Amino acid sequence: AQTVTQSQPEMSVQEAETVTLSCTYDTSESDYYLFWYKQPPSRQMILVIRQEAYKQQNATENRFSVNFQKAAKSFSLKISDSQLGDAAMYFCAYSLIQGAQKLVFGQGTRLTINP
Amino acid sequence: DGGITQSPKYLFRKEGQNVTLSCEQNLNHDAMYWYRQDPGQGLRLIYYSQIVNDFQKGDIAEGYSVSREKKESFPLTVTSAQKNPTAFYLCASSIPGYTEAFFGQGTRLTVV
Repeated sequence: AQTVTQSQPEMSVQEAETVTLSCTYDTSESDYYLFWYKQPPSRQMILVIRQEAYKQQNATENRFSVNFQKAAKSFSLKISDSQLGDAAMYFCAYSLIQGAQKLVFGQGTRLTINP
Repeated sequence: DGGITQSPKYLFRKEGQNVTLSCEQNLNHDAMYWYRQDPGQGLRLIYYSQIVNDFQKGDIAEGYSVSREKKESFPLTVTSAQKNPTAFYLCASSIPGYTEAFFGQGTRLTVV
């Protein structure tokens, strides 16, 4: 079975600084997706960024980028120029490419932004 | 606007009662999912459906039931057999094979 592990229950960063959230996963599959979701206090799950495992290039979305290390099964999220609105729970998630998009989530990292 | 609507936002249930959570989507997505979220844990899959009149158990289906009579609707019933139903429940939908799942705003269920 696939598993996703986030080893940092909480992280904090000063506004405008850079922070990196860690995620590792375990799978025997070769084709899959990896995601970072943000859950603000409203509890709405918002997709931040996604990575296709077959792509070597790391995904970027504005201030958000990932470091995808397929051999190490590592998928970290870097947030640059942190803003107060980035404060939220962040979840790393995995799904297979084929079939239903059943997401396997990590335990989450609570990110606090200090003004 | 297209999206997923979950209702109610807050729900209280007495022990021994069944309760049904509503999930409706107008995104024309074939696949729908129910997840449960507990404090300190990530989301866990309860049930999912890839097509009308068909659904499969997820990782924690015991004590729950679903139906998929219409493409737009995927209600979740929390039965009295669910030993610890107090949690936050999220519904999602997607196009099979597409990368992104869209989530509703969730229902907070509390057993009183």
